[in-house]
Amino acid sequence: GAVVSQHPSRVICKSGTSVKIECRSLDFQATTMFWYRQFPKKSLMLMATSNEGSKATYEQGVEKDKFLINHASLTLSTLTVTSAHPEDSSFYICSARTYGVEQYFGPGTRLTVT
Amino acid sequence: QKEVEQNSGPLSVPEGAIASLNCTYSDRVSQSFFWYRQYSGKSPELIMSIYSNGDKEDGRFTAQLNKASQYVSLLIRDSQPSDSATYLCAVNMGGGSEKLVFGKGTKLTVNP
Repeated sequence: GAVVSQHPSRVICKSGTSVKIECRSLDFQATTMFWYRQFPKKSLMLMATSNEGSKATYEQGVEKDKFLINHASLTLSTLTVTSAHPEDSSFYICSARTYGVEQYFGPGTRLTVT
Repeated sequence: QKEVEQNSGPLSVPEGAIASLNCTYSDRVSQSFFWYRQYSGKSPELIMSIYSNGDKEDGRFTAQLNKASQYVSLLIRDSQPSDSATYLCAVNMGGGSEKLVFGKGTKLTVNP
């Protein structure tokens, strides 16, 4: 149980384009989903918290117009990196929780912006 | 500033030994505590959760919580090379927050 998927697992895009990453809870309904990014050999950094049907709550310093989050259903959240630049290259990981506080992580999406 | 501190390591143990990973947290009202394992290039995987003082055992893993000392640890018995990973301590600070605060992780290497 508690399986979370992400798609795509790896994406390469050109500078200035937008990239959408999907996060799905496969066998449970996620009341809340979280988006993290992680640079090589660094710790997880929480970007935003999203609840189904409401606007995401972004952490301080994260640009909401650059990282668009849509939580359309209890099993799907998407993160769109708009006008991507090389400094946005990172490992993006979503997680989901149900009624407890445990978070279950997706496998991550490695974004490379050229 | 609510913080979770871990020794970054690296921690190196021989195969078959007990690996001991430690974590301290700053917020006394924290309620829920988690250990995640992260292999290089992969996402974190939940391996243990603990909510009350004392020990919780699951196979070769034992989590220990001492709320008075604001300390949580993870013991791995009979360590295997496949246990080599970074172990992340995570704390839910309570107060209605859904967020987890993560430590920076301890890198464990189990030598065959």
